[in-house]
Amino acid sequence: EDKVVQSPLSLVVHEGDTVTLNCSYEVTNFRSLLWYKQEKKAPTFLFMLTSSGIEKKSGRLSSILDKKELSSILNITATQTGDSAIYLCAVPPNAGGTSYGKLTFGQGTILTVHP
Amino acid sequence: NAGVMQNPRHLVRRRGQEARLRCSPMKGHSHVYWYRQLPEEGLKFMVYLQKENIIDESGMPKERFSAEFPKEGPSILRIQQVVRGDSAAYFCASSPQNRFFVNEQFFGPGTRLTVL
Repeated sequence: EDKVVQSPLSLVVHEGDTVTLNCSYEVTNFRSLLWYKQEKKAPTFLFMLTSSGIEKKSGRLSSILDKKELSSILNITATQTGDSAIYLCAVPPNAGGTSYGKLTFGQGTILTVHP
Repeated sequence: NAGVMQNPRHLVRRRGQEARLRCSPMKGHSHVYWYRQLPEEGLKFMVYLQKENIIDESGMPKERFSAEFPKEGPSILRIQQVVRGDSAAYFCASSPQNRFFVNEQFFGPGTRLTVL
């Protein structure tokens, strides 16, 4: 069974700090890893990573995949109170299965940014 | 371009009643996924559907739960004879067609079901 573990489970920082969130996975025949941000309602898509070592950036957020270490990190620089959310990472099932759609999510990292 | 729409946003039911949750995918998306989020837990996959087809229901409880995605209209997640343990947030997501590649899934705002 696919497994996704995120750390830390929660993190409290002050505005302006830089944070690094971790995601480790165990998947047979890895295809990709996805990051989502969940505020009070719907998880919103951030990044999809398929290739090791290639950084994806969006504003102050960036993410990179390390297939050797079976992990990914999500960095947020110059944090703002609006970054407070649960950050989720997820992996789809292996390519040999019958369903390519099911995502297995980690338990999430709760980030709180204080003014 | 409207995103994934779910209704109702909040639903209160008494034990033994039925709950019907609706999901309209994003325009152009033909794949729908339902997830459940229990308090203090992560998102758990329930079912994956295409129009008129259930592709994967491995996350669905064997009894009382069913899902459909008809040719016309929204996808429906139906819970019969609800129990208190069904209280959770139910999220629907959609993605573009082509089930053989991973596409990012876009989530709706969720339906929060409370069973009294």
